Formats: sequence, structure tokens, C-alpha cells
Amino acid sequence: ETGVTQTPRHLVMGMTNKKSLKCEQHLGHNAMYWYKQSAKKPLELMFVYNFKEQTENNSVPSRFSPECPNSSHLFLHLHTLQPEDSALYLCASSQDLESAYEQYFGPGTRLTVT
Amino acid sequence: GQNIDQPTEMTATEGAIVQINCTYQTSGFNGLFWYQQHAGEAPTFLSYNVLDGLEEKGRFSSFLSRSKGYSYLLLKELQMKDSASYLCAVRDGDYKLSFGAGTTVTVRA
Repeated sequence: ETGVTQTPRHLVMGMTNKKSLKCEQHLGHNAMYWYKQSAKKPLELMFVYNFKEQTENNSVPSRFSPECPNSSHLFLHLHTLQPEDSALYLCASSQDLESAYEQYFGPGTRLTVT
Repeated sequence: GQNIDQPTEMTATEGAIVQINCTYQTSGFNGLFWYQQHAGEAPTFLSYNVLDGLEEKGRFSSFLSRSKGYSYLLLKELQMKDSASYLCAVRDGDYKLSFGAGTTVTVRA
């Protein structure tokens, strides 16, 4: 248990659906991250939030829309996804951006787009 | 951009030693990290090197040579529970981590 939770753990959605992934951290951290992990590929950084402000959008398509209402919660809103978006989506947090090496990861949401 | 290379798979026997190599080519460098990820679970932080040399932490050690763009993670006295994927990551700039694809280590009895 890392102190970072994600729901749901598994999600199957059609290309026309709209769904949201939720991440919550109980560590008092100020920075939160979304990563995409595809099979046999490196973890890809998608978004970074620091003190609720987005500081990084790593050229992510607009069909992925992040939301950070407070430092403890992070959402990833999904709409009109493509099959190639099927992957494990990992949320992580760290005390702040400077200590980003000590990132604590959630268990991930396994997303399948049909 | 970053280019981080590590072997895809390694197999070793329980009680043995395994060394996972990682080479990187980066436009900047501010630390190299190793994470462990068991199947279906979150990656967990193992080690951090920013200066050349060896960092030892129990059965695990990590080495860095900045001039060679090279690191390794050494796992000693292998146990079955060490079967996992090991991720090498480089920090470029203040906070962005770039990851390798991971090395899957299988420990056999």
C-alpha cells in the first residue's frame, strides 16, 4: 500500500463512451502525475500538476482531459478514445516537483478500449 | 529527448546474483533511478544515484557512471519475491522522469 489509490482498477469502454479515472493520495503531497504504460513500452508521462496547477502536458491528445480540484485528488476524463489508448494508466504523487524521484505510484487502471 | 536502454528479460536462480544494465543518452542529467514493479502492481522506488559510484541498500545495489551514460542494478541473494520488472529512469531537468521499457526478471527455484 503506497498511499495512492486509483479507481476503477479495470475499465472497458467503447470508443463513443465517456468515462473518468480517479486518483487519490493520502500522503500530503503537492505534486501529482498521470502516466501511460503500454505493454513492453516505457512509462510515458502525460500530465503534471503542482499545487493544483498544471505544469506539464506532454503533447497528449485532447481526448484525455485532466482535472485536479485539490492537491489530494486527480482525475483523467476520457472521451472518444481509440483502441491504441488501451493501456495501464498510473497515477503518482510526490512531495513537490523538486523531490520528484520519490514518486509514489498507485496500482493503476487497466483500460481497454473496444 | 531521452534514450534509455535496458534488457527486456533476465532469468536467474534463487540465491544467485543478477545485474541489470541501463544505458542512457540524454540532453541533460539530474539523477538516475531504479523502480521495481510486480505484475499488476504499482512501481515502487528502489534507488537513486546522482554522483558516480555505488549505492548499497541491503541486497540491492545501484551503480552510476555519468561519463559512460551507464548504470546497473545488482540484486544479490535472489529470492522468489524478486521476480518483477525493474525500471530504469533518468531525470532531465527539475522533475521530469523518463523511463526505460523495463527488465523482467524471473527467479527460478
